[in-house]
Amino acid sequence: LAKTTQPISMDSYEGQEVNITCSHNNIATNDYITWYQQFPSQGPRFIIQGYKTKVTNEVASLFIPADRKSSTLSLPRVSLSDTAVYYCLGAPRTGNTPLVFGKGTRLSVIA
Amino acid sequence: EAQVTQNPRYLITVTGKKLTVTCSQNMNHEYMSWYRQDPGLGLRQIYYSMNVEVTDKGDVPEGYKVSRKEKRNFPLILESPSPNQTSLYFCASSLDRVNQPQHFGDGTRLSIL
Repeated sequence: LAKTTQPISMDSYEGQEVNITCSHNNIATNDYITWYQQFPSQGPRFIIQGYKTKVTNEVASLFIPADRKSSTLSLPRVSLSDTAVYYCLGAPRTGNTPLVFGKGTRLSVIA
Repeated sequence: EAQVTQNPRYLITVTGKKLTVTCSQNMNHEYMSWYRQDPGLGLRQIYYSMNVEVTDKGDVPEGYKVSRKEKRNFPLILESPSPNQTSLYFCASSLDRVNQPQHFGDGTRLSIL
């Protein structure tokens, strides 16, 4: 069964860049790696998605090495409002199987 | 507004009393799924559906049932709830299994006494 591993928690000061790395074994060759953000009392919300190399949008960047065994979510200049839990999701290699989220990384941004 | 709607948002009930949590999406998505979220365990998939009349077990399906009679609805059924099913539940939908982002509902907090 595919498994994703992330750090349980991270702390950062406002204005710093934060990098959260997820290790994922056995993900599907042709599927995307996706990251979600979750605030308390809300459902997870899509942040960014990528297949390989680097993807950037208005809120984050995603770095995926060639072997695709990990991915790194990069949040530039975090603010207090970025305090949340971040989940990575990779599709298992075998088709039509359950999706396996990581256990999430709790990011705390300190003023 | 594109959304996934779950009902109820909160429910306290007793062991053995059948309950249904409804989930509806208005985005014409093919893929729908249910997750439970417990402290320290993250999101675990209970059941998912690739399309109408097609449902499959996720990581933790024991004690749950689902149905997908229509594209927009994907109810979660607990035939005989037990205290270990006390949890926060999320329904999600997307255009496909993994290459399109999932849209999550706001969650249903179930307490089984």
